[in-house]
Amino acid sequence: NAGVTQTPKFQVLKTGQSMTLQCAQDMNHNSMYWYRQDPGMGLRLIYYSASEGTTDKGEVPNGYNVSRLNKREFSLRLESAAPSQTSVYFCASSNTGGRSPLHFGNGTRLTVT
Amino acid sequence: GESVGLHLPTLSVQEGDNSIINCAYSNSASDYFIWYKQESGKGPQFIIDIRSNMDKRQGQRVTVLLNKTVKHLSLQIAATQPGDSAVYFCAENSGGSNYKLTFGKGTLLTVNP
Repeated sequence: NAGVTQTPKFQVLKTGQSMTLQCAQDMNHNSMYWYRQDPGMGLRLIYYSASEGTTDKGEVPNGYNVSRLNKREFSLRLESAAPSQTSVYFCASSNTGGRSPLHFGNGTRLTVT
Repeated sequence: GESVGLHLPTLSVQEGDNSIINCAYSNSASDYFIWYKQESGKGPQFIIDIRSNMDKRQGQRVTVLLNKTVKHLSLQIAATQPGDSAVYFCAENSGGSNYKLTFGKGTLLTVNP
């Protein structure tokens, strides 16, 4: 049972480069989320998708874009990476929004030099 | 309790003892709370949740207590084992959006054999 799968696991970018983080869930969940985790800052919501076809900004959306490709997949794109985007990125999914448990992937560790 | 700044609060216990991890939440309108466990290099793992119409909920070796009067949440782990060593986060749904959980910064639990 895979749950939430994120790729890649590690990535190093130079400032200004772009990349897309991939996320897929096999639990038939309606809602999907992207968080970033920084030391001392906890988990902060970047974007979320309440259901297929919708996306909304979270707490820290600047510098990111997302695409809910279908019910299973939710990607996060960095168009022009900056050192401030060095972080661990987690994708999550839930069945009925923020009043049900979020299930997380194991993260993508991104370094921007 | 939850931390500010870069250093996590830590709790060190002996194997077999009971552990209590505390969390002060911020919003009196929050109506849903979750505890997560995060091991090094992995994504947060759901432990237990509780809604605001309850004061206590029990799982396997874990109990969550909610005190709405003082906006306090605690996680009790019975007979703590070395495998319980991890960072523990509380999260609240603040009610402003059905899809946004606010995470605390975590407490590091170390279990000594």
